Amino acid sequence: AQTVTQSQPEMSVQEAETVTLSCTYDTSESDYYLFWYKQPPSRQMILVIRQEAYKQQNATENRFSVNFQKAAKSFSLKISDSQLGDAAMYFCAYRSVSGNTPLVFGKGTRLSVIA
Amino acid sequence: DVKVTQSSRYLVKRTGEKVFLECVQDMDHENMFWYRQDPGLGLRLIYFSYDVKMKEKGDIPEGYSVSREKKERFSLILESASTNQTSMYLCASSLAPSYNEQFFGPGTRLTVL
Repeated sequence: AQTVTQSQPEMSVQEAETVTLSCTYDTSESDYYLFWYKQPPSRQMILVIRQEAYKQQNATENRFSVNFQKAAKSFSLKISDSQLGDAAMYFCAYRSVSGNTPLVFGKGTRLSVIA
Repeated sequence: DVKVTQSSRYLVKRTGEKVFLECVQDMDHENMFWYRQDPGLGLRLIYFSYDVKMKEKGDIPEGYSVSREKKERFSLILESASTNQTSMYLCASSLAPSYNEQFFGPGTRLTVL
């Protein structure tokens, strides 16, 4: 079974600075999808960014980018120019390509942004 | 915009009561999911469904059941609520292919006294 590990339960960053959240996963599959979800204090979870494992190029969405290291099974999220609205729980998730399988989530990292 | 709604934001029930948590999505998604979220444990999958009247157990199905009589609605049932089921419950839905994101509801904070 696949597992996702987020080793940083909490992190903080100064406003306008850059922060990197770590995520590692364990799988024997060669093709899969990886996601970062954000859960602000209001609780509605939203997708931040998505990466297909077969793509070598790292995904980018505005101030959010990933560092995908397939051999190392690492999928970190970089937030540039951090804003107060970035404060949230961030969850890394894995999904298999094969079949109709659900997401496997890490335990989350709580990010605080300091003004 | 995809919308996933949950019947209650906050719910207080007594031990032994039968509890129904309702989830409705308006985008004709095949897949629907129920998660439980607890501090330090992340999101744990309770049940999921790929189609009407179909259900699959997740990681922690004990003490729960589900019902999906219509495509847009997925209900989570606590047959006899217990205090250890006090938690945040999140519903999600997605289109079938794996690359599609899951859309989440706002959550139901359930307290069992």
